[in-house]
Amino acid sequence: EDQVTQSPEALRLQEGESSSLNCSYTVSGLRGLFWYRQDPGKGPEFLFTLYSAGEEKEKERLKATLTKKESFLHITAPKPEDSATYLCAVQAGGGNKLTFGTGTQLKVEL
Amino acid sequence: GAVVSQHPSWVICKSGTSVKIECRSLDFQATTMFWYRQFPKQSLMLMATSNEGSKATYEQGVEKDKFLINHASLTLSTLTVTSAHPEDSSFYICSASDPTSTDTQYFGPGTRLTVL
Repeated sequence: EDQVTQSPEALRLQEGESSSLNCSYTVSGLRGLFWYRQDPGKGPEFLFTLYSAGEEKEKERLKATLTKKESFLHITAPKPEDSATYLCAVQAGGGNKLTFGTGTQLKVEL
Repeated sequence: GAVVSQHPSWVICKSGTSVKIECRSLDFQATTMFWYRQFPKQSLMLMATSNEGSKATYEQGVEKDKFLINHASLTLSTLTVTSAHPEDSSFYICSASDPTSTDTQYFGPGTRLTVL
C-alpha cells in the first residue's frame, strides 16, 4: 500500500525566514510526486510535478526537489501570502489516482 | 491554465433528501475525473474514479449506491449523494485529469455539504 507522510504538521515562520517541508513516501513504482497548495475552504491548487530522483522545479519562492525516498518543498524568504496548507501526493503503479499526505499547515507572520 | 469548476459551492439540505454536485473541466477534455471527500483538518480521501462513458470505480468502504457518479461527457461529472444524513456532511472536491499535461489532476473549488 502506498504511504505518504508529511512533516511537520504545522510550521510557523517569520516573514523572510526560509524553511523546508518534507514529504516521505513508500510506493511501488512511482510515476509522479505532486505538490499542491490548499487555502482554507478551497480546492487544492497545483504547484509542481516531479518524476525522477534528482529533479528540481521552481516557482517564485518555492522550490521542490525529489530523492528516491522523499521530496522537499523549500520556501525562500516567505511572505504572509504563502500561508496555506501544502499537500504532497504520489501517483504510482498503473493507474493515475493520487495518494495524499496529511499536509503541512504553514503560517507566515509579519 | 487548466480550470475546473464545481457547482454548487455550498448546499444545505434536510436529512433524507438527495443532493447533486456538478464538476466541469472548462478548458480541457478530461479523460478521468475523481471525487474526494475532506473532513476538517484532514487530508483528501479519494472516493471514486470515473471515466467518461463507463461505470465509476469506488474506493473500499465507499457505498456506490449512496454516492452515485455519472460521467456523461469529457467535461462533466456529477456526484449525487442519495438519502443524505448528517454524517454525510463534508467538503466534497472533484478533480479532472488533463491528458495533455501528463495526467496532472486539477481540482475544483469544492462543495460544502451540510445535512440537517
